[in-house]
Amino acid sequence: DTEVTQTPKHLVMGMTNKKSLKCEQHMGHRAMYWYKQKAKKPPELMFVYSYEKLSINESVPSRFSPECPNSSLLNLHLHALQPEDSALYLCASSRFRDGLYEQYFGPGTRLTVT
Amino acid sequence: GQQVMQIPQYQHVQEGEDFTTYCNSSTTLSNIQWYKQRPGGHPVFLIQLVKSGEVKKQKRLTFQFGEAKKNSSLHITATQTTDVGTYFCAGGPKAAGNKLTFGGGTRVLVKP
Repeated sequence: DTEVTQTPKHLVMGMTNKKSLKCEQHMGHRAMYWYKQKAKKPPELMFVYSYEKLSINESVPSRFSPECPNSSLLNLHLHALQPEDSALYLCASSRFRDGLYEQYFGPGTRLTVT
Repeated sequence: GQQVMQIPQYQHVQEGEDFTTYCNSSTTLSNIQWYKQRPGGHPVFLIQLVKSGEVKKQKRLTFQFGEAKKNSSLHITATQTTDVGTYFCAGGPKAAGNKLTFGGGTRVLVKP
């Protein structure tokens, strides 16, 4: 199984709402990632978890809060977002040892902040 | 910080023709990866190059890693409508661990 699943597929939320994005993989990968992608732009790294510990935070505003409950699950908690946070949020996973490995992306959650 | 640039940004290709997209990094890379993202889709891993000067082929796609490990290219022969999408290169220096930096992408449009 080389699939990364993400829910929901679409999300519309107001600036005062709290919501969560979910990501799951069953490939035994020990690195998981959150990316943000705006239209016609490349994926922009937000967070990296390695062995369920946050290893990279690319200076993301605190209104985005990641969580890795176990080796298969990754969440992104959203609170008090701004309209400019509207984007496609991609989760990815990869093996994690010494070096870079190919990343498997989920289909993404298309987020609209109103 | 590290920068990865791709040219061209857009590539309009007649079906059946060949084209090449180029990727250049400001720093030496531990490896280079290529991804394809179809319109409305998500990035899908195509290939990884690790060795200096390495060349790999996947059917009509030929990938090359430069001798200095700072640039790469993707050449597609006999372009088909199924090649439509955005092709991203991505890489990082060894010190960056598992952090990938993506190039801006080349958006490929195929004219039938």
